[in-house]
Amino acid sequence: SQTIHQWPATLVQPVGSPLSLECTVEGTSNPNLYWYRQAAGRGLQLLFYSVGIGQISSEVPQNLSASRPQDRQFILSSKKLLLSDSGFYLCAWSTPGASGNTIYFGEGSWLTVV
Amino acid sequence: LAKTTQPISMDSYEGQEVNITCSHNNIATNDYITWYQQFPSQGPRFIIQGYKTKVTNEVASLFIPADRKSSTLSLPRVSLSDTAVYYCLVGDGLYSSASKIIFGSGTRLSIRP
Repeated sequence: SQTIHQWPATLVQPVGSPLSLECTVEGTSNPNLYWYRQAAGRGLQLLFYSVGIGQISSEVPQNLSASRPQDRQFILSSKKLLLSDSGFYLCAWSTPGASGNTIYFGEGSWLTVV
Repeated sequence: LAKTTQPISMDSYEGQEVNITCSHNNIATNDYITWYQQFPSQGPRFIIQGYKTKVTNEVASLFIPADRKSSTLSLPRVSLSDTAVYYCLVGDGLYSSASKIIFGSGTRLSIRP
């Protein structure tokens, strides 16, 4: 069966510090991968999605970046965090070519920028 | 992806049946309708998916009229644990453009004792 893991689960970072969140998927090949962010009490904001290694599409211009160095690995990064980067970050995957929009999420990472 | 419209919030009581309707006037022929449930501090999880008529699983039922311009998620005999945000998504995974999966604001369902 397919599984998705992301880490770390929680982190507190000072303004201006770097960020690296990692996500890996097991049990499937060539998945579509996603990073979402959810501010407290708000909806899900799509940040990046990827349909293959090295192929990253950005949805929101900001100080975050994403990379996909391997088929089932998706990394969210920042060189300098802002207070507004605080939130709940979710990695997700879906199967390309499958009917419908079935998407599966990781456990999430809480980021607090202080 | 077809745009969807659903109520911002709904309230109900334990033991009641709850119906959440989603409008998707621009649904395309190949589009499926999928509903997700999200609890606080968790990612959304798949509840049910359908293309037309009625789909039922152990958690919910999904009613889709013939014109497919709307759909209704039905939760039978809700409990406090059904308090969550429910999202309706419409789209088709067969085309690259559908790789961009965007969630709307969802419906915040609150169940009271």
